[in-house]
Amino acid sequence: DAGVTQSPTHLIKTRGQQVTLRCSPKSGHDTVSWYQQALGQGPQFIFQYYEEEERQRGNFPDRFSGHQFPNYSSELNVNALLLGDSALYLCASSFLDRDNSPLHFGNGTRLTVT
Amino acid sequence: EDKVVQSPLSLVVHEGDTVTLNCSYEVTNFRSLLWYKQEKKAPTFLFMLTSSGIEKKSGRLSSILDKKELFSILNITATQTGDSAIYLCAVDGTGTASKLTFGTGTRLQVTL
Repeated sequence: DAGVTQSPTHLIKTRGQQVTLRCSPKSGHDTVSWYQQALGQGPQFIFQYYEEEERQRGNFPDRFSGHQFPNYSSELNVNALLLGDSALYLCASSFLDRDNSPLHFGNGTRLTVT
Repeated sequence: EDKVVQSPLSLVVHEGDTVTLNCSYEVTNFRSLLWYKQEKKAPTFLFMLTSSGIEKKSGRLSSILDKKELFSILNITATQTGDSAIYLCAVDGTGTASKLTFGTGTRLQVTL
């Protein structure tokens, strides 16, 4: 049973550049959420995608955008990178319309902005 | 704004000890509280709690929720070095279980 997979595992970018992170949800899941985890902090919700639309969004600027494809996989894009965007980016998947369906997380992408 | 506070921030115990991790929360529209274990990267799901007073148990781990006092505890008995990890508590205030508010976590280190 394939769990949540993310790519790449590590990435180094320069301030001002743009980055795209990718996620494939756990088999059968239809909802993908993205989280940012800074060092020493808990994950912070960025946004959720369901049926190829952004359904909920956390307190992140418009530089953070995403997409969900018909096969439920998803991308997170970050434009005009800042040093403060350095973090572990976690993708999680679940069933939207099933009670008590917890999030399953991938191993994350470690983004370093220099 | 939903808020989760975990204590202690870090803990060092000897193998075989019992530990209790605490999680208090403030949430406008509580739906569930979740515990995750994070060893290196991916947080792995431990428990989801929705009702007060009902203990959830999995092996040496157990957890209980108090919705009146707005807190939860995670107990680990007979700790092992493999229990060393960050334990994250999160609340779901939207009902979709996708938009979770996490605490900063408790870092547990189990030594021989």
